[in-house]
Amino acid sequence: EDQVTQSPEALRLQEGESSSLNCSYTVSGLRGLFWYRQDPGKGPEFLFTLYSAGEEKEKERLKATLTKKESFLHITAPKPEDSATYLCAVQAGTGGSYIPTFGRGTSLIVHP
Amino acid sequence: DGGITQSPKYLFRKEGQNVTLSCEQNLNHDAMYWYRQDPGQGLRLIYYSQIVNDFQKGDIAEGYSVSREKKESFPLTVTSAQKNPTAFYLCASSRYTGQGLDTQYFGPGTRLTVL
Repeated sequence: EDQVTQSPEALRLQEGESSSLNCSYTVSGLRGLFWYRQDPGKGPEFLFTLYSAGEEKEKERLKATLTKKESFLHITAPKPEDSATYLCAVQAGTGGSYIPTFGRGTSLIVHP
Repeated sequence: DGGITQSPKYLFRKEGQNVTLSCEQNLNHDAMYWYRQDPGQGLRLIYYSQIVNDFQKGDIAEGYSVSREKKESFPLTVTSAQKNPTAFYLCASSRYTGQGLDTQYFGPGTRLTVL
């Protein structure tokens, strides 16, 4: 069974204090790993898709990396507007329906 | 602008009522999905459809029903058989490529409350 674990569950940072969110996974043949940002009461907003170990993608203060067992979402010098829940989802590439499995998310609060 | 719309944003249901949540997309995506989100839990898949007139049950389909008569539309009905329907419901869509399903894009969600 595909599993996705995100840590920590919650993270509080001061503005400018860089940190990383973790997404560890066990799947049969990774096809893709997705990161989303979700604001309270809204739908998830797509951030990145990573396909293979060693791949990296960046967007403003966010950088996503991928290894064979986990992905990190690095937040550099965060601002209060980066406060949100960050969701990770993994898509298996062999067997099944290719429907992504989601983690429970990391709730990030950035204090000014 | 291309995107996914869900309506209504808020919905209240009385005991024993069926209610239908609307989801429309103009992204020309083949696949559409319904998820349920509860506090502290990840997104749980209710139903998905890869092509018109075909759909499959997800992990928590009991008490729900769907239809896919048009590519753009994938309504979800929450029936009276769903004993704990209060939740945030999310619709998503994606392309279906020759190598499987592509990145999912989500609508704004519908919050359903049972009175």
